[in-house]
Amino acid sequence: KQEVTQIPAALSVPEGENLVLNCSFTDSAIYNLQWFRQDPGKGLTSLLLIQSSQREQTSGRLNASLDKSSGRSTLYIAASQPGDSATYLCAVLSDMRFGAGTRLTVKP
Amino acid sequence: GAGVSQSPSNKVTEKGKDVELRCDPISGHTALYWYRQSLGQGLEFLIYFQGNSAPDKSGLPSDRFSAERTGGSVSTLTIQRTQQEDSAVYLCASSLDPSGGVYFGPGTRLTVL
Repeated sequence: KQEVTQIPAALSVPEGENLVLNCSFTDSAIYNLQWFRQDPGKGLTSLLLIQSSQREQTSGRLNASLDKSSGRSTLYIAASQPGDSATYLCAVLSDMRFGAGTRLTVKP
Repeated sequence: GAGVSQSPSNKVTEKGKDVELRCDPISGHTALYWYRQSLGQGLEFLIYFQGNSAPDKSGLPSDRFSAERTGGSVSTLTIQRTQQEDSAVYLCASSLDPSGGVYFGPGTRLTVL
């Protein structure tokens, strides 16, 4: 059974910093990996989908990488803003297991 | 087009009552998932429907929980004899195929008094 781990569990940074969120998984035979954002009391919003044949995807200030051999994905957020404050979750799409998330706070 | 919708958005019930939660997936999406998220916790997988295949019910926490999907579209999650520990946000998601990305509804917040 796939285990998905996200580190750190919580992160607080000043506005403007670049930051990296980590997602690791135990079974490298994945289809794809998807990163989501969840605001308090809300559903999940898709951020980036990385196909298993790709190594990275970019959308605006977000860049997600995938290294299947090491069982890792990272979400890089450039020039963080207070509006980026949310919980970020990764999901391995082969069996739709989620990490517990990283709660990000960006201070003005 | 329209996204995944869920109803009701909020449901308050008394312990011991049955509840039904509804999910309308994106039109044409063959895969449908139910998750539960307790306060401050991660997503707990409940059940997965793919086309006409038998659903993956491996995440249902007890036999009080059941789900069905009619006509390959709308799904209903039923919780019988609700308990206070059933209080959570129930999230539904759908996808065209498992590799193509998954899209979530806004969730139903269930409170069992």
